[in-house]
Amino acid sequence: EPEVTQTPSHQVTQMGQEVILRCVPISNHLYFYWYRQILGQKVEFLVSFYNNEISEKSEIFDDQFSVERPDGSNFTLKIRSTKLEDSAMYFCASGQASYQETQYFGPGTRLLVL
Amino acid sequence: AQSVTQLDSQVPVFEEAPVELRCNYSSSVSVYLFWYVQYPNQGLQLLLKYLSGSTLVESINGFEAEFNKSQTSFHLRKPSVHISDTAEYFCAVSDSGTSYGKLTFGQGTILTVHP
Repeated sequence: EPEVTQTPSHQVTQMGQEVILRCVPISNHLYFYWYRQILGQKVEFLVSFYNNEISEKSEIFDDQFSVERPDGSNFTLKIRSTKLEDSAMYFCASGQASYQETQYFGPGTRLLVL
Repeated sequence: AQSVTQLDSQVPVFEEAPVELRCNYSSSVSVYLFWYVQYPNQGLQLLLKYLSGSTLVESINGFEAEFNKSQTSFHLRKPSVHISDTAEYFCAVSDSGTSYGKLTFGQGTILTVHP
């Protein structure tokens, strides 16, 4: 069964450094998402991406965040200058369509900012 | 704005006992409702969803949830749990209107099934 994959599984970085989290969505999916979960808190929506552009973003998704689908298969989340409060589990998800369709989640990348 | 409340952060239960995980939501528009499950070291997996039609929805592994519009609830139930059901369960809603499928999650309920 096809699945969403994410790399790396764990990332440790120094505050102020740039990180890129990578995701390979399911191949025939058209909608892509990033969520994050700070330890002990809810899973929060960050951004949705469709037709090579951001379709919706949350207030968390400020100028330090960006997303890209550079080669038609990978979907990346870049954090330009990491802060301590960016430490979280980041989940990528993909779906064939929006509203009604199931979103398939990857296993997550645990980011720790020191 | 939507919000989801899962009233229990942890639910311990013995094997073969029934269980109910509670979920309430608030929204000013029509919503779609989902339950996701997360096993240790894995991503979130869809357990079941309500889009329209019958208010009672079932999963393949014996869970069911009932959409109650008047009480704005979507509680998850299973009449007899197994050890393998031990996991974290997340209730989520999606706006059926203008959003591009954005999911709003509850805080999760850790179900622990004891032998």
